Amino acid sequence: AQKITQTQPGMFVQEKEAVTLDCTYDTSDQSYGLFWYKQPSSGEMIFLIYQGSYDEQNATEGRYSLNFQKARKSANLVISASQLGDSAMYFCAMRERAAGNKLTFGGGTRVLVKP
Amino acid sequence: GAVVSQHPSWVICKSGTSVKIECRSLDFQATTMFWYRQFPKQSLMLMATSNEGSKATYEQGVEKDKFLINHASLTLSTLTVTSAHPEDSSFYICSAREGTSITQTQYFGPGTRLLVL
Repeated sequence: AQKITQTQPGMFVQEKEAVTLDCTYDTSDQSYGLFWYKQPSSGEMIFLIYQGSYDEQNATEGRYSLNFQKARKSANLVISASQLGDSAMYFCAMRERAAGNKLTFGGGTRVLVKP
Repeated sequence: GAVVSQHPSWVICKSGTSVKIECRSLDFQATTMFWYRQFPKQSLMLMATSNEGSKATYEQGVEKDKFLINHASLTLSTLTVTSAHPEDSSFYICSAREGTSITQTQYFGPGTRLLVL
């Protein structure tokens, strides 16, 4: 079974609107961390936001927020007020303590922001 | 965030030659460094994990004699693709992390595009 599933291969969003990127995960570990990274066409992986399994509040970082629903094992990324520079691939990743703290990535979602 | 550099950013080589890629953590000490490989339109695939001063741990299916990893210091790891062949052409990305806590953010280098002719 896939550890990290991103069901949206690609999506368009209008500039200045919000967009939600889905991410579901599979783990039996109690201690884990969830990460979102942005990969523009240059290839660099840019860290966006982190959510710990024990964190009770949803993480926020500027225009990025993480909608963490632990019971549903989902960690959706919300980008508010989209900008043209947000066009990129977005990867959800998980680190499990039982798996040696290695990051496992989802398949990614390509976002294209339309002017 | 923390800065990880990678060099070279591009390399084109002939089949049979070896290529060395360097990964440096510029403003923190990287207890652990990771090497990933990414094919076009695909996700990142972890190749190996290295801790400073220890032998690298390779993921299943990754040839350790093909992809030599050295993590000689807390700020430098190298990946050497030995006797490169066209099928080794890919985007290689290193990543570094300070500490072993599960909350520790992992920072990535800008990647190296390897083309083997």
